[in-house]
Amino acid sequence: NAGVTQTPKFRVLKTGQSMTLLCAQDMNHEYMYWYRQDPGMGLRLIHYSVGEGTTAKGEVPDGYNVSRLKKQNFLLGLESAAPSQTSVYFCASSDPQDTQYFGPGTRLTVL
Amino acid sequence: DQQVKQNSPSLSVQEGRISILNCDYTNSMFDYFLWYKKYPAEGPTFLISISSIKDKNEDGRFTVFLNKSAKHLSLHIVPSQPGDSAVYFCAASAKTSYDKVIFGPGTSLSVIP
Repeated sequence: NAGVTQTPKFRVLKTGQSMTLLCAQDMNHEYMYWYRQDPGMGLRLIHYSVGEGTTAKGEVPDGYNVSRLKKQNFLLGLESAAPSQTSVYFCASSDPQDTQYFGPGTRLTVL
Repeated sequence: DQQVKQNSPSLSVQEGRISILNCDYTNSMFDYFLWYKKYPAEGPTFLISISSIKDKNEDGRFTVFLNKSAKHLSLHIVPSQPGDSAVYFCAASAKTSYDKVIFGPGTSLSVIP
């Protein structure tokens, strides 16, 4: 039982490049989330999903897109990376109205 | 404007003493509060929670107190241990949107042996 896993762990991009972060969970959770963590800001919700095939915007959705084609996977895409997207990204999953379980994070640097 | 505030970025406590981490919130719709703990290079892990119908919840060495009138909650760790050294995030949600949890900026706790 791996819980929540994130791929990759680290990535360096140049401004304008694109990439996809993958989150996978093996707990059969309905809900999945993407957060970013910046110094002094806590975790801010980017997008979330309450079920396979559904997505919704969080606090800071601009510049990101997501997809939830399979229940166990939640993808976060950056179409044209900007230095302001340098951050640590965390994925989480949960049952409805229950505790969230977090992955180990992806550290992204955009030059 | 931050809806969940943790005004102390860091806190140092001697091993065996009490650690008190504070959190304030501004949204009166919040009715469920959580504390998460985070070690370096790991994701946050759930620690303890409290519903607005209670003013105290205890789990072993960890107790959370809620003062609704002051929109304030605190996490007490007694006794503090070196393994408690981590960043602690306060978080809150409202019954109208439990899927959206708002996190505070975190307090870094150092427990000195």
